[in-house]
Amino acid sequence: AQKVTQAQTEISVVEKEDVTLDCVYETRDTTYYLFWYKQPPSGELVFLIRRNSFDEQNEISGRYSWNFQKSTSSFNFTITASQVVDSAVYFCALKTSYDKVIFGPGTSLSVIP
Amino acid sequence: DTGVSQDPRHKITKRGQNVTFRCDPISEHNRLYWYRQTLGQGPEFLTYFQNEAQLEKSRLLSDRFSAERPKGSFSTLEIQRTEQGDSAMYLCASSFGTSSSSYNEQFFGPGTRLTVL
Repeated sequence: AQKVTQAQTEISVVEKEDVTLDCVYETRDTTYYLFWYKQPPSGELVFLIRRNSFDEQNEISGRYSWNFQKSTSSFNFTITASQVVDSAVYFCALKTSYDKVIFGPGTSLSVIP
Repeated sequence: DTGVSQDPRHKITKRGQNVTFRCDPISEHNRLYWYRQTLGQGPEFLTYFQNEAQLEKSRLLSDRFSAERPKGSFSTLEIQRTEQGDSAMYLCASSFGTSSSSYNEQFFGPGTRLTVL
């Protein structure tokens, strides 16, 4: 079975706080890809990052960082020094064969000024 | 704008009516996907085309749903005899790919929000 779990339904933080969004995935495939997407109130899905199953190196992009750990099947996303513009729903997703992408239920992040 | 476009952006219909949505992918993309997103949930895969061939359909796609991509460019998603449970955001995405094992980033359109009264 392939599944993506985002246990945090909603998170509220005060501006400038750091916040980590959790993602746990399930797959039996050895080759797979993991992503994070952002969906702001406007509704359009915005691609943030892709990781393949053979690359466990963590990545940092500005205030965003991602921690991929195959041993725990997790792909967590941290926003450092959060800003109001970071308020959105964030989806973790998994792709195995073909291009079918399985999305998690999403975590709604509210950054309070 | 060279991104994925969808039309209409909003559709309100009465139960039992048929509706059709259109998706125009990024021009050089050979793959096109339809997803459905209900409130508070992540997008759920519905179907996928490579060029004009429909290669995969989800169990979510009942026989009231039909999708086409006749010339391998734009696609239409039709829902017949709509039900209130069909109310959702319908998202289209496109990508360019030649291998089933590689990942090719999907670019999403703005979606069509369907409300069935």
